[in-house]
Amino acid sequence: GAGVSQSPRYKVAKRGQDVALRCDPISGHVSLFWYQQALGQGPEFLTYFQNEAQLDKSGLPSDRFFAERPEGSVSTLKIQRTQQEDSAVYLCASSLAIPGREFATNEKLFFGSGTQLSVL
Amino acid sequence: AQSVTQLGSHVSVSEGALVLLRCNYSSSVPPYLFWYVQYPNQGLQLLLKYTTGATLVKGINGFEAEFKKSETSFHLTKPSAHMSDAAEYFCAVSNVNNDMRFGAGTRLTVKP
Repeated sequence: GAGVSQSPRYKVAKRGQDVALRCDPISGHVSLFWYQQALGQGPEFLTYFQNEAQLDKSGLPSDRFFAERPEGSVSTLKIQRTQQEDSAVYLCASSLAIPGREFATNEKLFFGSGTQLSVL
Repeated sequence: AQSVTQLGSHVSVSEGALVLLRCNYSSSVPPYLFWYVQYPNQGLQLLLKYTTGATLVKGINGFEAEFKKSETSFHLTKPSAHMSDAAEYFCAVSNVNNDMRFGAGTRLTVKP
């Protein structure tokens, strides 16, 4: 597609419910990132994929958070037993850039519009 | 570890006035620096970035930023604010591993 697509755009969940958030990156993009943006805050890093490999998950706040990218394209962020503090906008971003290689001037991170999760 | 501090969560300017949004970074390796803009209910849009070379970087919509290593700063400026510039602005730092960390953001208000 033309850009990074995220679905659903809005998700309301009851506390304790499991949710799955989808990210369709730009075709051919190697790198994929998930960020959590709480109200009034900047995006906070959650996890990073290079193709299907999850190279960094240091930002996942608890073991209730799980992300996968099994075929190296679409990614899903799953949150189990949601809590009110999970309410935030979840942003996905993709890039052609490959870690360890000089960041070329024409490479950048493309962001989706995010999924706004509200846990009641 | 890398981090970014944005000074001032809210900045208000009059239309036509200078815009100055402050950003200081911390990085143990040569940083890549970015400014993103976020309009309501939209994703982050890259304004400009510094990777290597010229320290004064020009971006879209008339914005520019200067990388000052001695001050560990990357402040964003625009000579004349326009009403359409009202948005949230995020400074970010990254490294060669594309590990990007964002500041808390600065909300810019433009008064007519």
